[in-house]
Amino acid sequence: DAMVIQNPRYQVTQFGKPVTLSCSQTLNHNVMYWYQQKSSQAPKLLFHYYDKDFNNEADTPDNFQSRRPNTSFCFLDIRSPGLGDAAMYLCATSLGLVNEQFFGPGTRLTVL
Amino acid sequence: QKEVEQNSGPLSVPEGAIASLNCTYSDRGSQSFFWYRQYSGKSPELIMSIYSNGDKEDGRFTAQLNKASQYVSLLIRDSQPSDSATYLCAVSHILTGGGNKLTFGTGTQLKVEL
Repeated sequence: DAMVIQNPRYQVTQFGKPVTLSCSQTLNHNVMYWYQQKSSQAPKLLFHYYDKDFNNEADTPDNFQSRRPNTSFCFLDIRSPGLGDAAMYLCATSLGLVNEQFFGPGTRLTVL
Repeated sequence: QKEVEQNSGPLSVPEGAIASLNCTYSDRGSQSFFWYRQYSGKSPELIMSIYSNGDKEDGRFTAQLNKASQYVSLLIRDSQPSDSATYLCAVSHILTGGGNKLTFGTGTQLKVEL
């Protein structure tokens, strides 16, 4: 089945220790998104790739970076995680201007 | 600031009843509207999309859109305990860099009671 896959599902890191979250998709969608969702809050868009073009949200902290080496994979790098970065990180994909976004299962990040 | 407003609930309905979830949005230019279901600790799952005024039915789910009133709703007929979840309303607008941005409401928690 075509799907969005995220690894790992749970990630524990120490304060200030860099962490990388990964997302892959078999939907062949050209747009990939990263969202942050904290408990009882709405998902918040961090950035997205339209094909190879990176688009950052204005309020996304510099601590968050992303890479998309090919159509199928996208990575979220958190350079120096703080306690406030503990959240669920959601990857989503869509096909061009077709608006449905499909989410992966998410990565739950804990910062100690 | 583009906003999407939902009543946080919880909305409690008995099994077999109709659950009615409501959402208002501020951006009159929005073109696409979605309902996602999110179980506790899980990711959002798309259940309905609607693009034009009126009703759209899919099984037990009906989405209703009124662009003039900037209002979108979701009806769940014959509610089941497995429908107990948080329902997120999302409104889309096209991004200048391509793709689209979903603005989510904070969700309505639905509890279906036996």
